[in-house]
Amino acid sequence: KAGVTQTPRYLIKTRGQQVTLSCSPISGHRSVSWYQQTPGQGLQFLFEYFSETQRNKGNFPGRFSGRQFSNSRSEMNVSTLELGDSALYLCASSLAAGQLNTEAFFGQGTRLTVV
Amino acid sequence: DQQVKQNSPSLSVQEGRISILNCDYTNSMFDYFLWYKKYPAEGPTFLISISSIKDKNEDGRFTVFLNKSAKHLSLHIVPSQPGDSAVYFCAASAFTGTASKLTFGTGTRLQVTL
Repeated sequence: KAGVTQTPRYLIKTRGQQVTLSCSPISGHRSVSWYQQTPGQGLQFLFEYFSETQRNKGNFPGRFSGRQFSNSRSEMNVSTLELGDSALYLCASSLAAGQLNTEAFFGQGTRLTVV
Repeated sequence: DQQVKQNSPSLSVQEGRISILNCDYTNSMFDYFLWYKKYPAEGPTFLISISSIKDKNEDGRFTVFLNKSAKHLSLHIVPSQPGDSAVYFCAASAFTGTASKLTFGTGTRLQVTL
């Protein structure tokens, strides 16, 4: 069974540009969450999608957005990139939201560098 | 406001000894706790979890203890092996209707030495 797939693995962008990251969850998983990992901050929750609907959102500015498609694949978009957006962006999938088994399975992440 | 805290950024333990990683939380709504292990350039891997209705959960060399009154949990690894060297994240979940999110600590880097 394939794991969580994130593309691209690495990305370099210039300040002011926008970027779209993609995540394909484990087959059968319907919940996709996004996290940002920066040194010293750990993993910070961005948002969660379930059945194409955003169910939960973290404390990030509106420049960060996402969506989920009918096949559960998800994309996140960051507009007007800032140097501080440089981070490892992790996508996690789980069977469903709001169930006892909330173990999330993570992809390898997309390393975004903003120059 | 860091709702999940891992106050030790790093820990070094000899091979064969016990590793104890600690985690504190402030939100009393958290009712499910997880530990993840992360190697460089990889995503976190689920290790073990515990529900708030339990105080201990064991899986092989890994045991998680939960002290609800102290809002504290710990991960014990016995015996520690060099392959356990990684960053360990504690995470907590509070169900909010049909959605849930994981709140992570900042991680503890475990180094198991020979």
